[in-house]
Amino acid sequence: EVQMLESGGGLVQPGGSLRLSCAGSGFTFGTYAMSWVRQAPGKGLEWISGLTGAGAFTYYADSVKGRFTISRDNYKNMMFLQMNSLRVEDTAVYYCAKMTGESVHRNWFDPWGQGTLVSVSS
Amino acid sequence: QSALTQPASVSGSPGQSITISCTGTSRDVGAYNHVSWYQQHPGKAPKLMIYDVSNRPSGISDRFSGSKSGNTASLTISGLQAEDEADYYCSSYTSSNTYVFGTGTKVAVL
Repeated sequence: EVQMLESGGGLVQPGGSLRLSCAGSGFTFGTYAMSWVRQAPGKGLEWISGLTGAGAFTYYADSVKGRFTISRDNYKNMMFLQMNSLRVEDTAVYYCAKMTGESVHRNWFDPWGQGTLVSVSS
Repeated sequence: QSALTQPASVSGSPGQSITISCTGTSRDVGAYNHVSWYQQHPGKAPKLMIYDVSNRPSGISDRFSGSKSGNTASLTISGLQAEDEADYYCSSYTSSNTYVFGTGTKVAVL
């Protein structure tokens, strides 16, 4: 069974940093693109970043560009999201999702992990 | 990139059919046949229901169908059942090599 499991969420002060992890299992991890999608409390979904299967190409939403960095370690079947300069508005549940194929382009998200909550507050 | 526009809520009685619209622009929904739909129950992760406008993943009931015309995509749920009560989100690939989600629609089964 294909599964994703996020970890690393927590409470952080504005301006602080946090690193999220996503462990993938049940598939050949390095051959699939992956993405991070977040959901603020009571709000809708927002795609924030994606990277190719080999990790060579990365993409970001304008809302996080320059502050967040996506990466992966295919030997450990892990994906990461380094979040710096966090803002109150970054408070959300962060989901990792597998995509279909090596490319981030023209794709969809399936399946999703259960999410990890990031709270940015003083 | 602005969110795609969905109705806030749609309701129907058991057995009825409902349709959820998802309106974007010529830079996303209108430009690509890469619209997908997700179902989300409270406190749960989203689940893929439709990909590439009208394709159903394995295991998804054929009561769910998708279509697109111009800048608007649609999800139809036929034979509405109590378990269909959830939030639904559309998503589209964009010309900026990013993805945009819809505003979300709460489906109520009366």
